[in-house]
Amino acid sequence: KQEVTQIPAALSVPEGENLVLNCSFTDSAIYNLQWFRQDPGKGLTSLLLIQSSQREQTSGRLNASLDKSSGRSTLYIAASQPGDSATYLCAVLSGSARQLTFGSGTQLTVLP
Amino acid sequence: ETGVTQTPRHLVMGMTNKKSLKCEQHLGHNAMYWYKQSAKKPLELMFVYNFKEQTENNSVPSRFSPECPNSSHLFLHLHTLQPEDSALYLCASSQEVGQSYTEAFFGQGTRLTVV
Repeated sequence: KQEVTQIPAALSVPEGENLVLNCSFTDSAIYNLQWFRQDPGKGLTSLLLIQSSQREQTSGRLNASLDKSSGRSTLYIAASQPGDSATYLCAVLSGSARQLTFGSGTQLTVLP
Repeated sequence: ETGVTQTPRHLVMGMTNKKSLKCEQHLGHNAMYWYKQSAKKPLELMFVYNFKEQTENNSVPSRFSPECPNSSHLFLHLHTLQPEDSALYLCASSQEVGQSYTEAFFGQGTRLTVV
């Protein structure tokens, strides 16, 4: 059974800092990995999708990497802003049923 | 606008009520999902529909009944729920491409409170 772990559970940083969020998964046979952002009480917003054959994806100040063999992904946020404050979720698509399995998320607070 | 619309956004129901959650996607996707998000727990997959056929039911109690009349619409029928069923219910859609899927898009969710 696929399990996804995100570290740290919570993170508080001053504005302008570069930061890294970590995601690990137990079964490396994945189809893709996706990073989401969730604001309180809201749905999920897709940030980046990395297919299993890819090593990284970039969108603006966000860069996500994937090391499938070691079961790890990182989300790098450059020059953080207060508007980046949210919960960041990592999810992997795997299994014969092609299910998305989520981690518990990292709650990020960027202080002005 | 995410392309996935859920109604209602908030729902309060008694344990003897019957209600339905609705999800509609405007993205032309062929796979739709129901997830449950409880406080302090990861998102839990409830049901998966591919090409309108249910392909996964993650041991969900029968008081939750999904319906997928076409590839754009997904319903979750609720009856005789328990207070512990109170949660944010999220709908998502994606497109199967070969052996994989495109990115999943989520709706804003229905905040359900069972009293």
